[in-house]
Amino acid sequence: AQSVTQLGSHVSVSEGALVLLRCNYSSSVPPYLFWYVQYPNQGLQLLLKYTSAATLVKGINGFEAEFKKSETSFHLTKPSAHMSDAAEYFCAVILSGDYKLSFGAGTTVTVRA
Amino acid sequence: DVKVTQSSRYLVKRTGEKVFLECVQDMDHENMFWYRQDPGLGLRLIYFSYDVKMKEKGDIPEGYSVSREKKERFSLILESASTNQTSMYLCASSPRIGGELFFGEGSRLTVL
Repeated sequence: AQSVTQLGSHVSVSEGALVLLRCNYSSSVPPYLFWYVQYPNQGLQLLLKYTSAATLVKGINGFEAEFKKSETSFHLTKPSAHMSDAAEYFCAVILSGDYKLSFGAGTTVTVRA
Repeated sequence: DVKVTQSSRYLVKRTGEKVFLECVQDMDHENMFWYRQDPGLGLRLIYFSYDVKMKEKGDIPEGYSVSREKKERFSLILESASTNQTSMYLCASSPRIGGELFFGEGSRLTVL
């Protein structure tokens, strides 16, 4: 069973526009949730993580994500896209009682000038 | 600065060859991971190690083995490479279960 689902494999936004990347997880118990970013020809780096403290999590580079238990979602947003935000973004989850990080399929973001 | 180093960025091997992918971390982390990344599938866990000489199978261990003789080094072994193992391989380490993963830059393997 899929632990985490990212809606949309590709997202294209104009520079300065809102970036919204969707992530839903399948668990009755709130897990640990992460967003990672991968720039071309690089490994992944952590954008932000949710570990049951605040439901609105702020990350690096102006990104933030909101944990919504009722919707089992952890969507990633940035108010104003920059050309440097072009990358692939992965939502990931560690389910309760598990040890491993399970990744979504990824969403590629392109930013139009 | 945190560093996970994968020995080869690009490799080309022939079907049936034995392949070693090496990963070294300098953060004294207990946990190390090997993931495989394929378009549309995200990252899938191959093997995980939580201590020296300890290993656990991930979601797709078939056709792979691992070795962790020292804390800082975690090797992925393809005993007999096949074309369906052509992929990007990512190594990661973490100080604790549930903690952030630190990734290497990846090793892109092509099996002909």
